[in-house]
Amino acid sequence: SQQGEEDPQALSIQEGENATMNCSYKTSINNLQWYRQNSGRGLVHLILIRSNEREKHSGRLRVTLDTSKKSSSLLITASRAADTASYFCATDLSGAGSYQLTFGKGTKLSVIP
Amino acid sequence: NAGVTQTPKFRVLKTGQSMTLLCAQDMNHEYMYWYRQDPGMGLRLIHYSVGEGTTAKGEVPDGYNVSRLKKQNFLLGLESAAPSQTSVYFCASSYSGLDTQYFGPGTRLTVL
Repeated sequence: SQQGEEDPQALSIQEGENATMNCSYKTSINNLQWYRQNSGRGLVHLILIRSNEREKHSGRLRVTLDTSKKSSSLLITASRAADTASYFCATDLSGAGSYQLTFGKGTKLSVIP
Repeated sequence: NAGVTQTPKFRVLKTGQSMTLLCAQDMNHEYMYWYRQDPGMGLRLIHYSVGEGTTAKGEVPDGYNVSRLKKQNFLLGLESAAPSQTSVYFCASSYSGLDTQYFGPGTRLTVL
């Protein structure tokens, strides 16, 4: 099945620095979503970017989508200790009747105070 | 507005026992999903539902059954638990199939 793959698997930065994580996928999509998961908790939606969009912002988050390269990036600016979490990209399958999201294995971000 | 809730939060089973996990949402969402998450892995879809009375198989459906008798509830059943089903189970719901999914807090299941 199609799957998004995040890169890197783990990232450790100092508080205040920017964090960039990437997601690559295999086939055409309708949209791509990013989720955050704090340790032991459920996933929380961050941003949804549609296939006809190239960039989207939400607070300190910036997501880009390059459909020609089948890749997306999530940038967290001015990171805080509270940003420590795992980040997952999720892709759907384009075409009618697809109701499934496929999640990657995630990037584990550690922000050191 | 509680969002998505899951019952129970933790459970330990012996091999061969059965149990049902309950998911409830109060957002009037049509779509509901059951995922499992194993260490170092992303979420894998077990079963999903696109409306009351409907269910469909996801990526890893074997050993599980589901029912959606009421719009707000989605039940996941394990008829004969196996150690390979030790995992954290997440329920989610969404307004449409391509929309944001809202997740419950998870159920940590251990099968001995």
